[in-house]
Amino acid sequence: DAGVTQSPTHLIKTRGQHVTLRCSPISGHKSVSWYQQVLGQGPQFIFQYYEKEERGRGNFPDRFSARQFPNYSSELNVNALLLGDSALYLCASSPRTGSSYEQYFGPGTRLTVT
Amino acid sequence: AQSVTQLDSHVSVSEGTPVLLRCNYSSSYSPSLFWYVQHPNKGLQLLLKYTSAATLVKGINGFEAEFKKSETSFHLTKPSAHMSDAAEYFCSIYNQGGKLIFGQGTELSVKP
Repeated sequence: DAGVTQSPTHLIKTRGQHVTLRCSPISGHKSVSWYQQVLGQGPQFIFQYYEKEERGRGNFPDRFSARQFPNYSSELNVNALLLGDSALYLCASSPRTGSSYEQYFGPGTRLTVT
Repeated sequence: AQSVTQLDSHVSVSEGTPVLLRCNYSSSYSPSLFWYVQHPNKGLQLLLKYTSAATLVKGINGFEAEFKKSETSFHLTKPSAHMSDAAEYFCSIYNQGGKLIFGQGTELSVKP
């Protein structure tokens, strides 16, 4: 079975630009979450989507947005990139939302902002 | 508020010796706790989870963790370390809204 897939693997952007990251969940999973992992730290929660609706939002500025499509794939958009946005962006999927459901992570997208 | 604290930023063991990675939690209700492993330049892999069933939880690759409410701890152990266990380990707790809160991580080194 295919796991969570993310694209692209690596990305280099310039300050002020916009970026779109993509995630495909495990087949049958309806919930997708996004996390930012800065080098040397644990992942920080950005968003969770379930059945195409936002179910949770972390402490990130409005430059960060996301959406989930009818096939349950998801996009994370970041506008007006800052140097501090350089990080590994992780997508996780779970069958549903709730504490009983473990989240399965993809390999991540490494974003470098110069 | 939910939180986890990993008590060691770095642990070094010799191959074949036991592994202990420590995690304390804070929760206003019965928590759901998880341990993940991250190898260099990879995503996170779930090792095990606790969701108010048995307090001793067995995971993949010989790892296990014990939930101790009286000590608010959820330490990860393995009887015998293998070279392939060298990685970063994260303890996490589930919060409302689908949010996992992660600790700062413990880097495990395994010496031959």
